[in-house]
Amino acid sequence: DTAVSQTPKYLVTQMGNDKSIKCEQNLGHDTMYWYKQDSKKFLKIMFSYNNKELIINETVPNRFSPKSPDKAHLNLHINSLELGDSAVYFCASSHLLAGGVHEQFFGPGTRLTVL
Amino acid sequence: QQPVQSPQAVILREGEDAVINCSSSKALYSVHWYRQKHGEAPVFLMILLKGGEQKGHEKISASFNEKKQQSSLYLTASQLSYSGTYFCGTGSNTGKLIFGQGTTLQVKP
Repeated sequence: DTAVSQTPKYLVTQMGNDKSIKCEQNLGHDTMYWYKQDSKKFLKIMFSYNNKELIINETVPNRFSPKSPDKAHLNLHINSLELGDSAVYFCASSHLLAGGVHEQFFGPGTRLTVL
Repeated sequence: QQPVQSPQAVILREGEDAVINCSSSKALYSVHWYRQKHGEAPVFLMILLKGGEQKGHEKISASFNEKKQQSSLYLTASQLSYSGTYFCGTGSNTGKLIFGQGTTLQVKP
């Protein structure tokens, strides 16, 4: 199936731990993103990579570090997890349409719970 | 600056129509509409570019008013499957999307 996939789907961990979330897309898109959706459903962009190059880096604690080994993969590593990091993290990818807009598709999400 | 959606919540009966508005305090480059069902990912509905264009998807269409810096999503003859939270996102040429707070739509039989 062509899609954006993420692993794991659920992640439960203790405060202070380090964890990673992986994302892969086989849509042939050049741009990938990480979003955070909090308990109030607020969906906020964190990072974006285009062809392995970081192009969007919002005000996110530097405990969060994205890594893109190739344009089909974008991973998110989180150090020293805090309670406030509990959220659903969505990966997305996009391709450029005529008119200069990005048509963006989301992965299934990773629900992170920090205890 | 986050776009503002209105209303925050809508309850409809099957077959009824609804309009969801998305207003921005900044000039709009593009507006992207998504629907998210509980526990699922946001699903892309449509993109609108500046120029007052109207796009359609099934019985869902949308308009873009560049002058008013506003987009509206029209759902006609709503179906049970339309239930979910609708998000508008204002776009830029980098692909960055800034989402509104969402509008929860519930369609009842």
